[in-house]
Amino acid sequence: SQQGEEDPQALSIQEGENATMNCSYKTSINNLQWYRQNSGRGLVHLILIRSNEREKHSGRLRVTLDTSKKSSSLLITASRAADTASYFCATDVNQFYFGTGTSLTVIP
Amino acid sequence: DGGITQSPKYLFRKEGQNVTLSCEQNLNHDAMYWYRQDPGQGLRLIYYSQIVNDFQKGDIAEGYSVSREKKESFPLTVTSAQKNPTAFYLCASSIRQGSGTEAFFGQGTRLTVV
Repeated sequence: SQQGEEDPQALSIQEGENATMNCSYKTSINNLQWYRQNSGRGLVHLILIRSNEREKHSGRLRVTLDTSKKSSSLLITASRAADTASYFCATDVNQFYFGTGTSLTVIP
Repeated sequence: DGGITQSPKYLFRKEGQNVTLSCEQNLNHDAMYWYRQDPGQGLRLIYYSQIVNDFQKGDIAEGYSVSREKKESFPLTVTSAQKNPTAFYLCASSIRQGSGTEAFFGQGTRLTVV
């Protein structure tokens, strides 16, 4: 399987704190994507970072990519209770291969 | 309103029965995908299709079958050969298969064996 892994599996923080989750993947990539899943729902695309980019920002999201280590991180700044969800990284070489996910709980 | 629709939202299957999960998209996407998600786990690819009348097995295709007779439709049949079918099933589409495209997901079908 080409499935990647997120770390940590679960993360619980207070509202206003920053949340960082990491992703490791196995194959060479052209891009890496991050998705969010609210409980019992489908996934929603958050951000795509290309293999020649090291960092990308979108609102309160900051993604980094280190292709030499085959790893990426997602930082959510100034978290809100509404950020509570599972977050998945995905590679998209031929199909979309998703990691195992980080379950984030933001406590109001 | 463009999107991808899965139905039903909940489905109950008796042991030995085949059931079919529906997935329809009006995004004019060429590529479509089926994933299985078990509690607290990631998504595992069952089947994918990059164009009408073509589909390929993913990592866990055994006990499942699909068809792609129309661009907008990619139904998944869970056969009696699938020994542990209870799971959350997600359908997705993308404008084309391959790098740099975004996957759009339906809201999922939760299948339970009774």
